[in-house]
Amino acid sequence: AQSVTQLDSHVSVSEGTPVLLRCNYSSSYSPSLFWYVQHPNKGLQLLLKYTSAATLVKGINGFEAEFKKSETSFHLTKPSAHMSDAAEYFCVVSDDQAGTALIFGKGTTLSVSS
Amino acid sequence: EPEVTQTPSHQVTQMGQEVILRCVPISNHLYFYWYRQILGQKVEFLVSFYNNEISEKSEIFDDQFSVERPDGSNFTLKIRSTKLEDSAMYFCASSEARGEKLFFGSGTQLSVL
Repeated sequence: AQSVTQLDSHVSVSEGTPVLLRCNYSSSYSPSLFWYVQHPNKGLQLLLKYTSAATLVKGINGFEAEFKKSETSFHLTKPSAHMSDAAEYFCVVSDDQAGTALIFGKGTTLSVSS
Repeated sequence: EPEVTQTPSHQVTQMGQEVILRCVPISNHLYFYWYRQILGQKVEFLVSFYNNEISEKSEIFDDQFSVERPDGSNFTLKIRSTKLEDSAMYFCASSEARGEKLFFGSGTQLSVL
């Protein structure tokens, strides 16, 4: 079965500094991997998706993630944090090759201070 | 951008009562999903629905749960006899095709007293 582990429950950064949200996964085949973001009182929004094309995936709002098979990692990064990036971030792996059942990590809360 | 709409945003019910959570998926989408998140825990897959039938379901989705697309626009989740442990945020999602991007609603917070 697929699973995903988000290594930090809470990350705090200052505005303008880099963001790193860590995620490791386990999968018995080439997985589809996602990062979703949830702002307060909003639905889950897809940031980016990896599906075995380029290993470096660029998403919305300046975020990107790199798929590293040797490390079974899919960390999310952003060069410079903005106050509006403060939210809950979920690393997600698909439970099947069609990607219809998603397995979520526990989430990482990102706080951004001025 | 089109949105998935969920109503109500917060539902309070007594243990043993039936509840129906409502969702309006994006109009041209064909696949529909329910997920839930118990406070402090992971978001969990419940069920996916396509062509008027369940295509996948998790172990959580037992006989107390059912889904329905009663008309061309709504997608509902019914819990027949709620338990305290059903208290959670329930998310509806839809996608245009299998494996495509899921669009999530903002959730219904269910509180079972």
